Amino acid sequence: GDSVTQMEGPVTLSEEAFLTINCTYTATGYPSLFWYVQYPGEGLQLLLKATKADDKGSNKGFEATYRKETTSFHLEKGSVQVSDSAVYFCALSDGGFTGGGNKLTFGTGTQLKVEL
Amino acid sequence: GAVVSQHPSWVICKSGTSVKIECRSLDFQATTMFWYRQFPKQSLMLMATSNEGSKATYEQGVEKDKFLINHASLTLSTLTVTSAHPEDSSFYICSARVAGGREGDTQYFGPGTRLTVL
Repeated sequence: GDSVTQMEGPVTLSEEAFLTINCTYTATGYPSLFWYVQYPGEGLQLLLKATKADDKGSNKGFEATYRKETTSFHLEKGSVQVSDSAVYFCALSDGGFTGGGNKLTFGTGTQLKVEL
Repeated sequence: GAVVSQHPSWVICKSGTSVKIECRSLDFQATTMFWYRQFPKQSLMLMATSNEGSKATYEQGVEKDKFLINHASLTLSTLTVTSAHPEDSSFYICSARVAGGREGDTQYFGPGTRLTVL
């Protein structure tokens, strides 16, 4: 079945540091890939997505590129801020091609802590 | 756009009572809504897929008689936790999928409902 693997956290960075959160996946068909962010006590917010190979999703300084050859969708940001502290989830949607009804498969989440 | 609301945001109830949680898509129609449960510091566990006008599809291990789901309109789905017990205490999150097109594989999430059963 489909699966998503994320690097374990927590990741602790100083403000303005470069961020990379690794995400790899296994899937049949042609999944769409997503990054969601969850702030404490809140639901998930869509951060960015990519629907096909070589697409780059970007939002709020974050970006991730859909790499089919390495089955990866790593999240990057050039300069993090304290306000970026949250849990980040990588996810894939099977697009309905395997009858999964567009279900999302989530990684375990990576907690990011940004300190001054 | 693509805003999903949940009500209530938190609820405390006594053991044995039932609790209803509403999930609404505010500015779009959602033919499919999903209900998740999240334990502290863990990922989301899909409980069921709710399709407008039909019975929900439950994931393996989820008791359909305990977690009643109704999706009566294109903008509203409800989850009722029946005869709640302390082990049902959790953070429940819904999501809604935009109907149609390639955008149809994007889910938009509600803010979640914190349920505490005493």
